[in-house]
Amino acid sequence: AQKITQTQPGMFVQEKEAVTLDCTYDTSDQSYGLFWYKQPSSGEMIFLIYQGSYDEQNATEGRYSLNFQKARKSANLVISASQLGDSAMYFCAMREGGGGADGLTFGKGTHLIIQP
Amino acid sequence: EAGVVQSPRYKIIEKKQPVAFWCNPISGHNTLYWYLQNLGQGPELLIRYENEEAVDDSQLPKDRFSAERLKGVDSTLKIQPAELGDSAVYLCASSPGWGGGRETQYFGPGTRLLVL
Repeated sequence: AQKITQTQPGMFVQEKEAVTLDCTYDTSDQSYGLFWYKQPSSGEMIFLIYQGSYDEQNATEGRYSLNFQKARKSANLVISASQLGDSAMYFCAMREGGGGADGLTFGKGTHLIIQP
Repeated sequence: EAGVVQSPRYKIIEKKQPVAFWCNPISGHNTLYWYLQNLGQGPELLIRYENEEAVDDSQLPKDRFSAERLKGVDSTLKIQPAELGDSAVYLCASSPGWGGGRETQYFGPGTRLLVL
């Protein structure tokens, strides 16, 4: 079974609209971390937001927020007021266990295109 | 602060030739990662270093891939001999080290390898 599932291969969104990118995860660990990265066409992975499994509040970073539903094993990324520069691939990733430096497991990504 | 530096950015070689990729992590980051990203997929961990020690190389194909991190700073990933299926993007990332589970990995721009 896949550990990270992103069910939206591609999305088209009008500029200034909010967009939700879906991510579900699978782990038996109690302690884990969830990340979202943005990958523009230039190729580098840009860190957006982090949610720890014990964090009680949803993480927010500027226009990005993470809708964390632990019981459903869901960690959706919400981008408010989308901009043309948000067009990119978006990856959800998980680090299992309490170790701070373990490698990440990534989903297959969602290709987001913002239309003017 | 300088980000993760990788070189070369692009490499084209013929199959059976050797190839090497270089990575310079963010200053002070003890943990270094190499990931492989195939087209249309998320990155997959190849190896993780804590200082000079390879602490997770379970996904590294050791028959043809090797890596080193001398002096716990720069790292080199080598493939010998390269095969057609090795065509991909090789990403290097670094993180500060043990941080109680909140470690963020910062990625370099990657090396795009094409094997002919």
